[in-house]
Amino acid sequence: DAGVTQSPTHLIKTRGQQVTLRCSPKSGHDTVSWYQQALGQGPQFIFQYYEEEERQRGNFPDRFSGHQFPNYSSELNVNALLLGDSALYLCASSLAAVSRGGYTFGSGTRLTVV
Amino acid sequence: GQQVMQIPQYQHVQEGEDFTTYCNSSTTLSNIQWYKQRPGGHPVFLIQLVKSGEVKKQKRLTFQFGEAKKNSSLHITATQTTDVGTYFCAGREPITGNQFYFGTGTSLTVIP
Repeated sequence: DAGVTQSPTHLIKTRGQQVTLRCSPKSGHDTVSWYQQALGQGPQFIFQYYEEEERQRGNFPDRFSGHQFPNYSSELNVNALLLGDSALYLCASSLAAVSRGGYTFGSGTRLTVV
Repeated sequence: GQQVMQIPQYQHVQEGEDFTTYCNSSTTLSNIQWYKQRPGGHPVFLIQLVKSGEVKKQKRLTFQFGEAKKNSSLHITATQTTDVGTYFCAGREPITGNQFYFGTGTSLTVIP
């Protein structure tokens, strides 16, 4: 049990559609980070949420947006899907700023865009 | 932006042999973390290094943080089949924020 729950586990979408991915962080964690992992690559940072605000953002277009709720859960939204958005989307939770204990990752959502 | 490279990209070893992966950052890091990802799985946190020149051990795994805090290494002694997976380093810059930038990873295959 990873402690971080992501849904759905797999998703197939058509190019141009929109998708919402969900994440419930590990109990006690208040910070959620989203990563995109293409096949054979390292996770790429999308953004991080803390206190319901986007605190930091990686090099991803505005088509990628997110939200954090008062219970610390989070959503990742991707609009106008492209074939290149096909990847494993990982949610990672941690405690506040410095992630002393490291991230706890969920099992991910495998998104396929056709 | 920060770039974190790892070498080698792939490594095949006989069970019982040692293994080392190296992580190099283009910028000075405030700290570095190591993760292991099994095939089909998600990254699992192994350790965090903070101090310049720091060395930490976890059983057969030895982690080092370079003196300049721009490189790190993970060494596994006497590999076992359970060590199979991809090892990622992830570095955080002192100024730009709280996110960790992941390296390109080293995929380890252990031949029984």
